Amino acid sequence: ETGVTQSPTHLIKTRGQQVTLRCSSQSGHNTVSWYQQALGQGPQFIFQYYREEENGRGNFPPRFSGLQFPNYSSELNVNALELDDSALYLCASKDYGAGGTGELFFGEGSRLTVL
Amino acid sequence: KQEVTQIPAALSVPEGENLVLNCSFTDSAIYNLQWFRQDPGKGLTSLLLIQSSQREQTSGRLNASLDKSSGRSTLYIAASQPGDSATYLCALGTSYGKLTFGQGTILTVHP
Repeated sequence: ETGVTQSPTHLIKTRGQQVTLRCSSQSGHNTVSWYQQALGQGPQFIFQYYREEENGRGNFPPRFSGLQFPNYSSELNVNALELDDSALYLCASKDYGAGGTGELFFGEGSRLTVL
Repeated sequence: KQEVTQIPAALSVPEGENLVLNCSFTDSAIYNLQWFRQDPGKGLTSLLLIQSSQREQTSGRLNASLDKSSGRSTLYIAASQPGDSATYLCALGTSYGKLTFGQGTILTVHP
C-alpha cells in the first residue's frame, strides 16, 4: 500500500458531462500529479501541483483542470467529456524537498468510462 | 521531447527462468528512472528508483541498471515466478517530477 487513495474507483459518464476525481496524498507528501492511462498504453502526464500551485502541465486541453488543497489532497476536473477521455486516471504523490528522493507513489486509479 | 521505448512488448517464460526487460530513451538529461509493476486494472507499484548519478539498484530478485550514455535501462528478474506476471513500465523523471513512460512489457510466467 502506497498511502495514496483515490475515489471513486469506477464511474460512467456520458459525453458532454463533467467529472471530478479525488486523491488523498501519502502523508508528508507536498506534491501531487495526475496521469491518464488509456487501455494498453503507458500513463501520460496531465499536470502536477506543488503547494496548491500548478507547476507543470502535459499536452492536455484546458478542460482538464485541477486543485490541490492545504492538506495536500487534490482534485482532477474534466469538463465537456469526450469518448476519448475514457481511461484510468492515476494520482501520484511525492515529497518535493531536499530530503526527498523524487520517487513517485501511485494510487489505484479511477476508471472513467464515457458513453 | 523525451521518448521511451520498451522491448519486448510481451514476454512469456516458464517459471524459474531469469529474464531481462529493456527500456530505451532518447534524452539522456534525466533526473531519475523508475521501474513500476502494474497488475491488470490496478495502479502502479514502484519497484526500483535509480538516480541519475547511479548505475544500478537492487531489490530482492530484481536488479535495474542505467546507462545514460547509451540511453538504456534494463530490469533483470531472477528466478521468475508466476506471481511476477504483470505489466512492467519504465519511466524517466525530470527534476520537477514529470514522468515519461514507455508502453510497458507484458510478462507472463507460466508454471
